[in-house]
Amino acid sequence: DAKTTQPTSMDCAEGRAANLPCNHSTISGNEYVYWYRQIHSQGPQYIIHGLKNNETNEMASLIITEDRKSSTLILPHATLRDTAVYYCIVKGANNLFFGTGTRLTVIP
Amino acid sequence: DTEVTQTPKHLVMGMTNKKSLKCEQHMGHRAMYWYKQKAKKPPELMFVYSYEKLSINESVPSRFSPECPNSSLLNLHLHALQPEDSALYLCASSQYPQGGWGTEAFFGQGTRLTVV
Repeated sequence: DAKTTQPTSMDCAEGRAANLPCNHSTISGNEYVYWYRQIHSQGPQYIIHGLKNNETNEMASLIITEDRKSSTLILPHATLRDTAVYYCIVKGANNLFFGTGTRLTVIP
Repeated sequence: DTEVTQTPKHLVMGMTNKKSLKCEQHMGHRAMYWYKQKAKKPPELMFVYSYEKLSINESVPSRFSPECPNSSLLNLHLHALQPEDSALYLCASSQYPQGGWGTEAFFGQGTRLTVV
């Protein structure tokens, strides 16, 4: 499975959009990009996933570059409850291996 | 029902004890996973069960023994653990085993294990 690189930490003002980047330059054609988040001491929570096209659901949007070497998770209106560690994962014919993640802190 | 239920939520055990962690899902998922998570680290994959058969063991010490009695249940039997095994143990399930494209995994809330 391809490895991912994420910033260690980010801050975002409450009510603003949070844009979390992820690099996955070695991704192969049949590997999906997944995003999970983990709020302190809880189990990881699925957010969104995609292959090539941009995706949107009730939680977030996922923007994948045309060459698929990077992606951005967008939380359109961050709230204090969005403070968590966000994991970008590339999943192929294998299982969910987590990278180090980005600790997002939403500031009032 | 999109829940993965883990019991107990907290467990304290001595190094000579035998205990078990339990995980249950009723989503009809055919893949189930055990992860170990140390403080401030990402979850690390331990075991994968596909269609109730062990398909992946990530070189986990034999003091951890997984069991999948049926498609809804996953156990992790613990024996002669060390203090460094203290961690959050997470169970997850997904619709398809490895090779299942585009499916998400659902995680339980974990069992926080302390070995004394």
